[in-house]
Amino acid sequence: NAGVTQTPKFQVLKTGQSMTLQCAQDMNHEYMSWYRQDPGMGLRLIHYSVGAGITDQGEVPNGYNVSRSTTEDFPLRLLSAAPSQTSVYFCASSPYRDRWGGETQYFGPGTRLLVL
Amino acid sequence: TQLLEQSPQFLSIQEGENLTVYCNSSSVFSSLQWYRQEPGEGPVLLVTVVTGGEVKKLKRLTFQFGDARKDSSLHITAAQPGDTGLYLCAGAPESGYSTLTFGKGTMLLVSP
Repeated sequence: NAGVTQTPKFQVLKTGQSMTLQCAQDMNHEYMSWYRQDPGMGLRLIHYSVGAGITDQGEVPNGYNVSRSTTEDFPLRLLSAAPSQTSVYFCASSPYRDRWGGETQYFGPGTRLLVL
Repeated sequence: TQLLEQSPQFLSIQEGENLTVYCNSSSVFSSLQWYRQEPGEGPVLLVTVVTGGEVKKLKRLTFQFGDARKDSSLHITAAQPGDTGLYLCAGAPESGYSTLTFGKGTMLLVSP
């Protein structure tokens, strides 16, 4: 299994440009999520999905859109990039409530985004 | 909103020293997880603690969940340079389905 994969690894955008960050998992996990990681801010949840066709907002959803048409894929779209969206983005998946009642997250390697 | 506070934010020690990292909250969690993140990579799960007072050991790492399930600690014995990384705690809510709450992390640097 490849686990959670993310593309691209690095991206530079100009303010106002749009782009899609790709995320895929081959573990048949129901739950997928997107986080951004900024210095001193930790991991902040952007959007998440509990299954195909179902998405919901996290802590910092503004400026981002998501969709979940399949179990495997969960793309994150930036409609009009802003410098404040410069960050490292992580996609994660989870088998939903595992037998411990928690949510073990399996993270991808991240996408480093710079918005000029 | 459930918050997790980690301390210290940064720790620089010499190889062979012991250290403890703390994760505290005023909220009760059904379980608490510890992740380690190395530079340029995503976080990787180290352990999940579920029961109040639970202690789990992973080689030189000892994890403890507070009796009231509001806090946790990570103790590393005889730290090695390979332990260098960002340590994150994350709590799962006590009731209902919701999302994990992550602490801001403790950056550990172990020098030879």
